[in-house]
Amino acid sequence: DIQMTQSPASLSASLEEIVTITCQASQDIGNWLAWYQQKPGKSPQLLIHSATSLADGIPSRFSGSRSGTQYSLKISRLQVEDTGIYYCLQRYSNPRTFGGGTKLELK
Amino acid sequence: EVQLVESGGGLVQPGRSMKLSCAASGFTFSNYGMAWVRQAPTKGLEWVATISYDGSSTYYRDSVKGRFTISRDNAKSTLYLQMNSLRSEDTATYYCTRYNNFDYWGQGVMVTVSS
Repeated sequence: DIQMTQSPASLSASLEEIVTITCQASQDIGNWLAWYQQKPGKSPQLLIHSATSLADGIPSRFSGSRSGTQYSLKISRLQVEDTGIYYCLQRYSNPRTFGGGTKLELK
Repeated sequence: EVQLVESGGGLVQPGRSMKLSCAASGFTFSNYGMAWVRQAPTKGLEWVATISYDGSSTYYRDSVKGRFTISRDNAKSTLYLQMNSLRSEDTATYYCTRYNNFDYWGQGVMVTVSS
């Protein structure tokens, strides 16, 4: 199984700050990586697919990048509504595996 | 508008069965693979099972293989998850999702396995 190691597990940042969350894949998964945001009591929402492509309706302050087997989600100017838990997902092979999640809070 | 609405959850005793349904609308259901993902209380997301667009292929995580069965009725635009021999560790919120990019999710349905 492909392991997705996500960091940090939690993060506290100020309004307008730049935030970066990373996922390290245990093997090559190409661009088969997606990012999700989940708010308390809600279902996950797709933010980024194919490692770098912004999903429909997602603000442009969200972006994804890849360097080898390390993937990053960047929020360029943190807003109040960006708090929540973020997950990465590899779609390269079965079983599909998620990262452990990053809880993002406002400082 | 794409909508996925799960139903069928609740409290069930260990060893018993339960069947979840997911009614889809707003897209051509028969064109898409579908999946179930679960989330235990206060835990992260865990993929459970996948079915191809026509139902000919299915995939399961090891911990549910032989106990869970994913199926679909394209005429009714409905996805199912039959869960047998339920265990306490199956307690979770179950989400159905469109398999393409896991791009749309239902609101989730809670399954509690407890005596």
